Amino acid sequence: GEDVEQSLFLSVREGDSSVINCTYTDSSSTYLYWYKQEPGAGLQLLTYIFSNMDMKQDQRLTVLLNKKDKHLSLRIADTQTGDSAIYFCAESSSNDYKLSFGAGTTVTVRA
Amino acid sequence: DGGITQSPKYLFRKEGQNVTLSCEQNLNHDAMYWYRQDPGQGLRLIYYSQIVNDFQKGDIAEGYSVSREKKESFPLTVTSAQKNPTAFYLCASRGTGPEAFFGQGTRLTVV
Repeated sequence: GEDVEQSLFLSVREGDSSVINCTYTDSSSTYLYWYKQEPGAGLQLLTYIFSNMDMKQDQRLTVLLNKKDKHLSLRIADTQTGDSAIYFCAESSSNDYKLSFGAGTTVTVRA
Repeated sequence: DGGITQSPKYLFRKEGQNVTLSCEQNLNHDAMYWYRQDPGQGLRLIYYSQIVNDFQKGDIAEGYSVSREKKESFPLTVTSAQKNPTAFYLCASRGTGPEAFFGQGTRLTVV
């Protein structure tokens, strides 16, 4: 299967920006996603980006895609305690939209 | 209100028993997916169904079975052949777009 890699942990101070990084290997990836998972819960879709886009912004969230380097990042502005969670990067192709996930980045927001 | 419902939230199984996890959606989505999540790992695809009465194996289908007799329902059976069934199971559905939405999960424990 396709590989998606993320750093495992990120600690950030409340009010600062968080940047979560992800790399993927499948050059046929059509869509790239960011999901959020709170303890004991399912996954919440935060945003996704089409592979021919470079950037997408949605309120406090900014997604940057470098297709040449196969690098995806999620920036959370003004990080709040409610942003503490596990963030998953995922990719899919438009053939079947099966999601391939990274292992998740645990974000801890400290006061 | 619309959504994806997984039941039960917690499930305990004795070794050698089959158990069935329920996933129901009222979003009128054609595609449905089952994923398995283990601690510190990303989600792995077990089975998926693009349309009623059709389904395909994912990356880790051994020891699992599914059916898709109705559009709204995609139950997953964990059989006694699954050697390490203790995990968090997540169901997702997708409509015509690339976004997949997840249920709240079922935590299965073998006792």
